[in-house]
Amino acid sequence: DTGVSQDPRHKITKRGQNVTFRCDPISEHNRLYWYRQTLGQGPEFLTYFQNEAQLEKSRLLSDRFSAERPKGSFSTLEIQRTEQGDSAMYLCASSHGTGSSYEQYFGPGTRLTVT
Amino acid sequence: GESVGLHLPTLSVQEGDNSIINCAYSNSASDYFIWYKQESGKGPQFIIDIRSNMDKRQGQRVTVLLNKTVKHLSLQIAATQPGDSAVYFCAETGTGNQFYFGTGTSLTVIP
Repeated sequence: DTGVSQDPRHKITKRGQNVTFRCDPISEHNRLYWYRQTLGQGPEFLTYFQNEAQLEKSRLLSDRFSAERPKGSFSTLEIQRTEQGDSAMYLCASSHGTGSSYEQYFGPGTRLTVT
Repeated sequence: GESVGLHLPTLSVQEGDNSIINCAYSNSASDYFIWYKQESGKGPQFIIDIRSNMDKRQGQRVTVLLNKTVKHLSLQIAATQPGDSAVYFCAETGTGNQFYFGTGTSLTVIP
């Protein structure tokens, strides 16, 4: 499978714990995006990487959230001291970043439940 | 900040009919728009895109129309099939660094 993969697919954690999610983009894609999606809503932009550089970060992103893409390939999203309001689907997407298209390919998401 | 909204949260159509899903955007600086389809339990799937220098683009059974004057985007699906049942989102961007999604329209195709 050469699509975007995310791990884990589901995560249940207790409030106050830290969690880390991983995203493996399509191999030749240099753009990588993280989104959060709650039920009945569209994906909400969190952050964007071009290669290993984090170029955009949502103003809404709490300082409990941090993302990395150390070698310009896979990326991790960490949430520290989780809160119940963090419960959501976390989506990763990648795109080629060249040409005139910004077509993004999304992974299946990681569903986080904070109890 | 930017906002992207959809006129109708739900839409039901008979199989074989055409569907039209609408979207309004507020940022006149946005120059690239995408329609996504999202099925239950899956990530969004790209359907079609359009740049602001165009007002119409056609794909297989789908057409996107862009009216920059009133900041309106629509997705037309021809001969709607049961497999088209999903939630449809429009998204906009100016630079490709941040994308703003609408709330979504749930399309149900009645056999």
